[in-house]
Amino acid sequence: RKEVEQDPGPFNVPEGATVAFNCTYSNSASQSFFWYRQDCRKEPKLLMSVYSSGNEDGRFTAQLNRASQYISLLIRDSKLSDSATYLCVVIDYQLIWGAGTKLIIKP
Amino acid sequence: GAGVSQSPSNKVTEKGKDVELRCDPISGHTALYWYRQSLGQGLEFLIYFQGNSAPDKSGLPSDRFSAERTGGSVSTLTIQRTQQEDSAVYLCASSRTSGRTPYEQYFGPGTRLTVT
Repeated sequence: RKEVEQDPGPFNVPEGATVAFNCTYSNSASQSFFWYRQDCRKEPKLLMSVYSSGNEDGRFTAQLNRASQYISLLIRDSKLSDSATYLCVVIDYQLIWGAGTKLIIKP
Repeated sequence: GAGVSQSPSNKVTEKGKDVELRCDPISGHTALYWYRQSLGQGLEFLIYFQGNSAPDKSGLPSDRFSAERTGGSVSTLTIQRTQQEDSAVYLCASSRTSGRTPYEQYFGPGTRLTVT
């Protein structure tokens, strides 16, 4: 089993819809979690940190489920500009990146 | 302020040649990371620097790969005797971490390496 797993997608979603995807991790001692966004042929950029209590930033909500060892990202009222690959990062004693979930928002 | 810069942006080299990739982190960032990313794949961790020392070299794929960082700033990643499987985008990131748990990483635009 991979240490960090993401559904590669692509998720094809109509504009305005709500979409959510998860990132599972194997090490229960993992301490920090982040979501990054990567546009095609561009470098990753931080989208949001994931706190134990969950956090929300506009249309984006990130949550942590320690019992089931996954983090989630929910995007409401999706925009065409949300099309990208979403990468999760899990940190225990090292940084481990997921391979990313590709999201395509269609008009 | 300036972000992370990398040079060259593109490098085409013949199999067997050595290449050197450079990363200039954000000023004041103590941590520096090297990754590589093949087309359509996730990020593969290579090496991490805290200041000038590299506590984690576990990701370097072979002894052909080496990296150094001087003055707590610029880092170079050297690949000797390049192979075709080394072709990828090499990304550098820096963060203002002062310990094991980093703050967010800021990425450079990457160096696209093609080995022919």
